[in-house]
Amino acid sequence: GAVVSQHPSWVICKSGTSVKIECRSLDFQATTMFWYRQFPKQSLMLMATSNEGSKATYEQGVEKDKFLINHASLTLSTLTVTSAHPEDSSFYICSAPPSGTYEQYFGPGTRLTVT
Amino acid sequence: KQEVTQIPAALSVPEGENLVLNCSFTDSAIYNLQWFRQDPGKGLTSLLLIQSSQREQTSGRLNASLDKSSGRSTLYIAASQPGDSATYLCAVRGGGTSYGKLTFGQGTILTVHP
Repeated sequence: GAVVSQHPSWVICKSGTSVKIECRSLDFQATTMFWYRQFPKQSLMLMATSNEGSKATYEQGVEKDKFLINHASLTLSTLTVTSAHPEDSSFYICSAPPSGTYEQYFGPGTRLTVT
Repeated sequence: KQEVTQIPAALSVPEGENLVLNCSFTDSAIYNLQWFRQDPGKGLTSLLLIQSSQREQTSGRLNASLDKSSGRSTLYIAASQPGDSATYLCAVRGGGTSYGKLTFGQGTILTVHP
């Protein structure tokens, strides 16, 4: 089956620093990838849709200047949390449907803790 | 705006029981519905995907049904095992301008005890 990886799996950073999270489709190409955030004991909330070669589409209430998304190739999307604050601490998960299909495959998630 | 609700929020059953998890959604204009399993601190594993034109899908001990007109789906787990303990999430994929986006329910936390 299709595999999506994320790196790092967990990261601890100091308030005010920036953190980059990578999402890779290992055995398929994805023109679109999705970024979700999950707070403890809550469900996944879509943050943004990442489109290869074009600007990401952000959901209402998500600051595009704080959560920078780059989808530079058909197998890699990155999410950069800029000037991170403790309230940004969360579980970030990406997903990707193989191009031309509709079933989404999810990465294992990245646990971000901002101190 | 699509809203997805899952009932119950938590369920604890003895091993061997058959059980049903419920999912309802407010906007019936969906493309498909997907059931996922999430283990603590982990990502999501897709269990079953039902296209909007389908009524049910089966995989092993799992059976998912979809009644699009009434905005409901159920996940049936037969002969539950301790290894089935996890959070089960349903998600609907919107059609039209929401195409491709998944809206998730809050999940049902399942505990199967020996």
